[in-house]
Amino acid sequence: DGGITQSPKYLFRKEGQNVTLSCEQNLNHDAMYWYRQDPGQGLRLIYYSQIVNDFQKGDIAEGYSVSREKKESFPLTVTSAQKNPTAFYLCASSIGTSGRETQYFGPGTRLLVL
Amino acid sequence: AQSVTQPDIHITVSEGASLELRCNYSYGATPYLFWYVQSPGQGLQLLLKYFSGDTLVQGIKGFEAEFKRSQSSFNLRKPSVHWSDAAEYFCAVGAASGTYKYIFGTGTRLKVLA
Repeated sequence: DGGITQSPKYLFRKEGQNVTLSCEQNLNHDAMYWYRQDPGQGLRLIYYSQIVNDFQKGDIAEGYSVSREKKESFPLTVTSAQKNPTAFYLCASSIGTSGRETQYFGPGTRLLVL
Repeated sequence: AQSVTQPDIHITVSEGASLELRCNYSYGATPYLFWYVQSPGQGLQLLLKYFSGDTLVQGIKGFEAEFKRSQSSFNLRKPSVHWSDAAEYFCAVGAASGTYKYIFGTGTRLKVLA
């Protein structure tokens, strides 16, 4: 079955620690996205990538970093510079980025701070 | 600037009753409009989308939405709600031109009473 997988389902971060969230897709989509979801704020775009080896900052990129070395993979690192990382993180992909594509979402990773 | 507003944070309906979730958008040209649904702790799934043509669009799970340009609205409707429809619903608008933009509303949480 084609789809998007995210791991882990839950992730705990200690103070000053960097953590990496995994996102893999087998839909052969060129574009991938990371969103942060907080109660009452909807989805906010962190980073997106239109093609391998290229990515763009979204609306809330500070404290986060990404890489896109393979078409299938778009990992997100939450760095120690992100002072309020507790949230639900969603990865998505789409065929392109014209604005009319459906986005396909993974099941999410919930990040908690110890 | 492109934006999307969902004025209702929470809505409660009885099972079997009709449902209408509101979505208003702001965009200079004809937008690409979407409705997604999110079950608790899960990713988002596309319900339906509008690009052009017939302003009444049908989606999955018995949902429909109507595009009204004069009111800048794209409201989601269902004639008879089932208990399994309890979820959070997001309206989204995609940019038709220019720099990539795909913006989600803040969501409406639907509760269904038995």
